[in-house]
Amino acid sequence: GESVGLHLPTLSVQEGDNSIINCAYSNSASDYFIWYKQESGKGPQFIIDIRSNMDKRQGQRVTVLLNKTVKHLSLQIAATQPGDSAVYFCAEKSRSGGSNYKLTFGKGTLLTVNP
Amino acid sequence: ETGVTQTPRHLVMGMTNKKSLKCEQHLGHNAMYWYKQSAKKPLELMFVYSLEERVENNSVPSRFSPECPNSSHLFLHLHTLQPEDSALYLCASSSAGAGRAYEQFFGPGTRLTVL
Repeated sequence: GESVGLHLPTLSVQEGDNSIINCAYSNSASDYFIWYKQESGKGPQFIIDIRSNMDKRQGQRVTVLLNKTVKHLSLQIAATQPGDSAVYFCAEKSRSGGSNYKLTFGKGTLLTVNP
Repeated sequence: ETGVTQTPRHLVMGMTNKKSLKCEQHLGHNAMYWYKQSAKKPLELMFVYSLEERVENNSVPSRFSPECPNSSHLFLHLHTLQPEDSALYLCASSSAGAGRAYEQFFGPGTRLTVL
């Protein structure tokens, strides 16, 4: 069946360092992935997405890498800031009856940025 | 703000109570979702409504009853809940289209405690 999981439940980094958050997925048919950030007391918010026909996509200070061979996804945050402290989720898109779809989420990684 | 609001933000109820959670989206989306977020577990998809029609029910107990009267509003009616139902309940909406077609926009959630 489908599953999306995260290798590390917690990650602690120093301010200014780069952060890497990893995610494994099992559905080789998944064609779209999203990274979400959830700050305390808030709902998840979109960070960046990537389609399966891409290996890499860059945003502002964030890069997502997709390795379809090993079904692995990673989120890289450059020059991590205290405001980046949050839980990060990966999600994969799959079919959900007819033309509908659903997102399956991983457990999440808690990123803590130390000043 | 994501354009998705949820009320109440916090709710404490006894096992014999009946209450309702409300979600409203101001984004013109045509799909809405209920998720349950428990500690140390992935986001669990509960219900999906597309064009006001329920398209997915992920084996959710009947003590949870969703209602989608129009494309902007989604309710979750609760009755005779159990303490293990205590969690953060998140509402999300989405719209198929150009760009980030599968992105879901989340509300801040309702923190539910069942005594």
